[in-house]
Amino acid sequence: QKEVEQNSGPLSVPEGAIASLNCTYSDRGSQSFFWYRQYSGKSPELIMSIYSNGDKEDGRFTAQLNKASQYVSLLIRDSQPSDSATYLCAAWAGTALIFGKGTTLSVSS
Amino acid sequence: KAGVTQTPRYLIKTRGQQVTLSCSPISGHRSVSWYQQTPGQGLQFLFEYFSETQRNKGNFPGRFSGRQFSNSRSEMNVSTLELGDSALYLCASTEATSTDTQYFGPGTRLTVL
Repeated sequence: QKEVEQNSGPLSVPEGAIASLNCTYSDRGSQSFFWYRQYSGKSPELIMSIYSNGDKEDGRFTAQLNKASQYVSLLIRDSQPSDSATYLCAAWAGTALIFGKGTTLSVSS
Repeated sequence: KAGVTQTPRYLIKTRGQQVTLSCSPISGHRSVSWYQQTPGQGLQFLFEYFSETQRNKGNFPGRFSGRQFSNSRSEMNVSTLELGDSALYLCASTEATSTDTQYFGPGTRLTVL
């Protein structure tokens, strides 16, 4: 069964620190990967997509992909209390988008 | 462009009843996927429709069904509701290919009593 795994957390960081979120996937054929942010009671909101090995930066967010290790990560620099949410990693496996169960991030002020 | 819309936003039903949820994708998007989200299981894929055809289906019982109309709007139906069907039901749309970015609607919160 194709899976995406994440540490459930909670991951606690102080305001201004770097938060590092990690994800592994089982399907070696996966080519597209996504990070979504979900606030409590809300729907997932796309933060980043990444398709190639290496880093992709967008503002305070950097996604990293290593296909050989089947590993995807998300770094959040200068973490803010408003970043406190659950972060979902997702990977296309065949014709289905598979989600991890999410990592809960708590940023304290 | 308007985002993905879902109606209703909240529903309360009793066991044994059936329910229909509606989703309108982003204009121009032809693929609609449905997910069930519960605290214990996370986001689980129900099915995907593209141009009125079910293209992919997750591992859910036949009580869960869906359809897509010619204007890309989609409905999902759950018959003979069970307590365990209480969840947030999310609809997501993509432009064309199944590897495109998915954009989620606000969801329908279903409570089964």
